[in-house]
Amino acid sequence: KNEVEQSPQNLTAQEGEFITINCSYSVGISALHWLQQHPGGGIVSLFMLSSGKKKHGRLIATINIQEKHSSLHITASHPRDSAVYICAVGKYGGSQGNLIFGKGTKLSVKP
Amino acid sequence: ETGVTQTPRHLVMGMTNKKSLKCEQHLGHNAMYWYKQSAKKPLELMFVYSLEERVENNSVPSRFSPECPNSSHLFLHLHTLQPEDSALYLCASSQESWGNEQFFGPGTRLTVL
Repeated sequence: KNEVEQSPQNLTAQEGEFITINCSYSVGISALHWLQQHPGGGIVSLFMLSSGKKKHGRLIATINIQEKHSSLHITASHPRDSAVYICAVGKYGGSQGNLIFGKGTKLSVKP
Repeated sequence: ETGVTQTPRHLVMGMTNKKSLKCEQHLGHNAMYWYKQSAKKPLELMFVYSLEERVENNSVPSRFSPECPNSSHLFLHLHTLQPEDSALYLCASSQESWGNEQFFGPGTRLTVL
């Protein structure tokens, strides 16, 4: 079992829908990261959080440290949101820079 | 140029070739990373450099050889690769290495014939 699990693996939505992607982890962490990877490969860091909630535009990330769970929400989804969303955790006490990555959730938003 | 750049973007090589991947960051960061992304597998950390010194080497085969001549540049030298080494190789940088936000380059798509 991976230390970082994401669900769902694939998600198709209609434009305008509210989207939730989930991430569960089994280790103590220093921080959790949400990343976005577009076709072609480039990765963009969306959020880094260690508690509570962060919001940036239509994106919201939450984390529950006790439950070892994080969610990424997209409000009013748009086709340009189509990408792979990756959850990664910095393991508490882990080696420098060593993030553990989930397998990603592939999101497709249809117009 | 801004952010993190990688060259080449695509590379096809034979198993007997020697090639190098280049990464350059223009963010003033002091830590740089090499990752491998294979199909249907999570990103795998290969190497971490902090202040130009290697601080992490995740049991990577010796046919991959990193080099960090200064805090802005990172190379990955490749020789005698295998077809299973075909993957997307991503470079990233951050300010200090532990737990901080990493900024990724666009990646090099490597195919080994």
